[in-house]
Amino acid sequence: DADVTQTPRNRITKTGKRIMLECSQTKGHDRMYWYRQDPGLGLRLIYYSFDVKDINKGEISDGYSVSRQAQAKFSLSLESAIPNQTALYFCATSDFGGTNYNEQFFGPGTRLTVL
Amino acid sequence: GQQVMQIPQYQHVQEGEDFTTYCNSSTTLSNIQWYKQRPGGHPVFLIQLVKSGEVKKQKRLTFQFGEAKKNSSLHITATQTTDVGTYFCAGLNRLAFGKGNQVVVIP
Repeated sequence: DADVTQTPRNRITKTGKRIMLECSQTKGHDRMYWYRQDPGLGLRLIYYSFDVKDINKGEISDGYSVSRQAQAKFSLSLESAIPNQTALYFCATSDFGGTNYNEQFFGPGTRLTVL
Repeated sequence: GQQVMQIPQYQHVQEGEDFTTYCNSSTTLSNIQWYKQRPGGHPVFLIQLVKSGEVKKQKRLTFQFGEAKKNSSLHITATQTTDVGTYFCAGLNRLAFGKGNQVVVIP
């Protein structure tokens, strides 16, 4: 969805490096999410934020941190990357109201490889 | 946390045939949503079910929500090559996605 953008789209890094993945949205949604996708494991929630001052851990937050800089921006950081963090990372947004409660709008994804 | 389980995890379907994918929850869901992810793409919302026993149709796709609101199914008739992808169910009152059902269509 062009309304949710992620940068970079692909990244190769080395073990121990700090890396930041960025997400921006123009949908005006308050809620933003970071998911990780691994083959056979589906989508697992890392962190989520229901508004600028709200940050919550998801199912697999260890080794990750986030920053909600503004309503439109939500960044995911790996302080010291390790190989098992190699995965496809998705940012998503949702609106509390609307026809479909919490319908998720996903960005195009960032493919991260940690060597 | 809430678990949402999908079966089967993988399916190979002959073009023109029908198939069904299932989603089961350990707890009652306030609603359930279905998403489709094409190969190389991102998940895209298909539909939401809210009411017990609800049935919704989108052309060749039929979605059902169980009476107890703990399970759901997606049935696709006359499969086409465009149906290839991974289908996810999600119980988003608890932000829980299933692991997905990866569908391969055999021409």
